[in-house]
Amino acid sequence: KAGVTQTPRYLIKTRGQQVTLSCSPISGHRSVSWYQQTPGQGLQFLFEYFSETQRNKGNFPGRFSGRQFSNSRSEMNVSTLELGDSALYLCASSRQGENTEAFFGQGTRLTVV
Amino acid sequence: QQQVKQSPQSLIVQKGGISIINCAYENTAFDYFPWYQQFPGKGPALLIAIRPDVSEKKEGRFTISFNKSAKQFSLHIMDSQPGDSATYFCAAYNNNDMRFGAGTRLTVKP
Repeated sequence: KAGVTQTPRYLIKTRGQQVTLSCSPISGHRSVSWYQQTPGQGLQFLFEYFSETQRNKGNFPGRFSGRQFSNSRSEMNVSTLELGDSALYLCASSRQGENTEAFFGQGTRLTVV
Repeated sequence: QQQVKQSPQSLIVQKGGISIINCAYENTAFDYFPWYQQFPGKGPALLIAIRPDVSEKKEGRFTISFNKSAKQFSLHIMDSQPGDSATYFCAAYNNNDMRFGAGTRLTVKP
């Protein structure tokens, strides 16, 4: 069974640009969560989607947005990039119900210059 | 607001020793407590998890101890090996929301 796939793996953008990251969950998983990982802040929760609906949102500015498609694939968008947005962005998928185990992708390393 | 506090930030242990990482949480609504292991260049991978109705769970060399009244839980790695060198994250989950600790970088010296 294929794992969580995130594309692209690496990205370099300029301040002020916008970026879209993609996440394909494990087949059958309908919940997708996004996290920002930085050396100083650890893993910070961005948002979680289920059946194309955002169910939870972390404490990030409105420049960070996301969406989920009917096939459970998810995208995350960051507009007006700032240097501080440089981070590893991780996506995790999980089933619903009692099994709350989250499987992570390898992440997208975003560098803002 | 950091809902899950993890310590220590870094830990160095000799091969064969016991590694202990501690976490404390604030929200009593959390009902699932996983530990993740992350190697450089990889995403976190689930190591072991516990629910608050048990006080201890053991899987091989890895044990979670859970103290519901103190709102604390810890990971014990017995007979630590150099291959265990990684960053470990505790987490707490409730209602489709997972919150992570800041991580502990474990180094096991041969």
